[in-house]
Amino acid sequence: SQTIHQWPATLVQPVGSPLSLECTVEGTSNPNLYWYRQAAGRGLQLLFYSVGIGQISSEVPQNLSASRPQDRQFILSSKKLLLSDSGFYLCAWSVQGPINGYTFGSGTRLTVV
Amino acid sequence: SQQGEEDPQALSIQEGENATMNCSYKTSINNLQWYRQNSGRGLVHLILIRSNEREKHSGRLRVTLDTSKKSSSLLITASRAADTASYFCATYTSGTYKYIFGTGTRLKVLA
Repeated sequence: SQTIHQWPATLVQPVGSPLSLECTVEGTSNPNLYWYRQAAGRGLQLLFYSVGIGQISSEVPQNLSASRPQDRQFILSSKKLLLSDSGFYLCAWSVQGPINGYTFGSGTRLTVV
Repeated sequence: SQQGEEDPQALSIQEGENATMNCSYKTSINNLQWYRQNSGRGLVHLILIRSNEREKHSGRLRVTLDTSKKSSSLLITASRAADTASYFCATYTSGTYKYIFGTGTRLKVLA
């Protein structure tokens, strides 16, 4: 069966420190992968999506970057975190395009202090 | 950018009552989905309705779609305390690779 793993669950980082969040998918190949951010009490904002290895599309210019070094691995990074990067980060995947919806990971709560 | 706008933003009802949430969107879509999010958790897919469908049922859930009004509603019948969560609509348009999510409705079911 297909599963998605996202870690860590919570993270507290100082301003200016680097960030690396990892998401891996099991049980499927060539998934579309997505990073969303959810501010407190708000909807989801799409940050990046990837339709294949090394293929990254950025939706919102900001302090973050994404990489897809392997078919089922999606990494969200920052060289220097800002306070405004705090939020709930969600990884999601879909197969054969997004038309049948997403499966979400359990999320990472990032607090930048 | 937000495509869908749910209303109400928050809803509080008694257990056993029905809960209705609405979603409006701006552009033509291929399908619309509803997701549920328990506090601090990931989103769980509830139901998908395609643009050529008007109504779908899944257990206690009933979703309607009116493409002429660009709106959808989610009805939860006979609500339970365990239905307490945030509910989001998300729209998909052919030619894109993504769903665009609304701002969500926070539902609280009181026991």
